[in-house]
Amino acid sequence: EDKVVQSPLSLVVHEGDTVTLNCSYEVTNFRSLLWYKQEKKAPTFLFMLTSSGIEKKSGRLSSILDKKELSSILNITATQTGDSAIYLCAVGGGGADGLTFGKGTHLIIQP
Amino acid sequence: GAVVSQHPSWVICKSGTSVKIECRSLDFQATTMFWYRQFPKQSLMLMATSNEGSKATYEQGVEKDKFLINHASLTLSTLTVTSAHPEDSSFYICSASPGLDTGELFFGEGSRLTVL
Repeated sequence: EDKVVQSPLSLVVHEGDTVTLNCSYEVTNFRSLLWYKQEKKAPTFLFMLTSSGIEKKSGRLSSILDKKELSSILNITATQTGDSAIYLCAVGGGGADGLTFGKGTHLIIQP
Repeated sequence: GAVVSQHPSWVICKSGTSVKIECRSLDFQATTMFWYRQFPKQSLMLMATSNEGSKATYEQGVEKDKFLINHASLTLSTLTVTSAHPEDSSFYICSASPGLDTGELFFGEGSRLTVL
């Protein structure tokens, strides 16, 4: 059975801090690892990491895939209150396979 | 980017009634769509895989007679919660796959169902 584990489950930091969110996976057929940010409604896409693209960066957010360790991290630097959300990690088998989601990390940024 | 539309955004219904939620891919054809359910402060749980022109594939523990899925065309899948009960109250999200090799999915906005 495919499994995606995220840690920590929740995290409270102050504005300006840097945070690192972790995701590890065990899947039979790995094609991609995706990070999503979920606030009030459906998840919004952040990054997709594959064997051919193991590091992505967008503004204050960056992510790295470690295929050897079967894990990924999501870094957020200079956090802002608007970064408060649930961050979901999901692994896809590709094609017609659905994503397997982790339980998410609930991030709270205090002013 | 690809757009997936879900309707309604929220619905309140009485216990015992049925509710239909629609999921449409607006600018691409999706032979496969997925239905997820999310409880408060929990992650997305895959309920079923909806296949155009054939029966849906349900995940273990999901009642197929309660959660009817119909994928009538390449751009539309529907989830009908039959004889809804308060424990069916949840956030239901659909996603569609344009068949990319990377497995990227595009999500609808979700539908919040409250059963009184």
